[in-house]
Amino acid sequence: DTGVSQDPRHKITKRGQNVTFRCDPISEHNRLYWYRQTLGQGPEFLTYFQNEAQLEKSRLLSDRFSAERPKGSFSTLEIQRTEQGDSAMYLCASLGGPGELFFGEGSRLTVL
Amino acid sequence: QQQVKQSPQSLIVQKGGISIINCAYENTAFDYFPWYQQFPGKGPALLIAIRPDVSEKKEGRFTISFNKSAKQFSLHIMDSQPGDSATYFCAASSGGATNKLIFGTGTLLAVQP
Repeated sequence: DTGVSQDPRHKITKRGQNVTFRCDPISEHNRLYWYRQTLGQGPEFLTYFQNEAQLEKSRLLSDRFSAERPKGSFSTLEIQRTEQGDSAMYLCASLGGPGELFFGEGSRLTVL
Repeated sequence: QQQVKQSPQSLIVQKGGISIINCAYENTAFDYFPWYQQFPGKGPALLIAIRPDVSEKKEGRFTISFNKSAKQFSLHIMDSQPGDSATYFCAASSGGATNKLIFGTGTLLAVQP
């Protein structure tokens, strides 16, 4: 399967711990996006990359959040000192044609 | 404003009926309007999309109607099937360099057999 892959699918952690999510986009796609989705809501934009360059960050992305795409291929999203409010589905997407985002199945985070 | 407003929040339709979901936007810079379908535990999947130079786009049982002057667009699902039961999100993008999508709040569709 050559779709967007995310790992892990589920993560349960205690408040204050650090977590890291990985996203492998569709190989020929240069743009990669991170979104966050809470229960009953639509996905909210967090940040995006053009190759290895992070070009925009939402104000939702506090200082505890950091995203990287070091070689322009896979990306990681790290959350430091997790809080209960960080509990959400973290979605990664890569861009096919203009506006055509292809999403992965997400990484669900539960902070206890 | 960057908001995209979606209604209804939930919808129950009988098998074979027509499902209609509506969205409205404020930002006239938006130039791409996709609909996504999401099943529980899965990521959103692109269903159909339209650009403002046309008023309607049809793909199989799915049709987008677009009203530029009213800044509204809607998804029509003809001959709705139980397998269509999912959450549907409208979205909008102003394209350009970012291609960032702004999503509506979603509509939970249940198609009863």
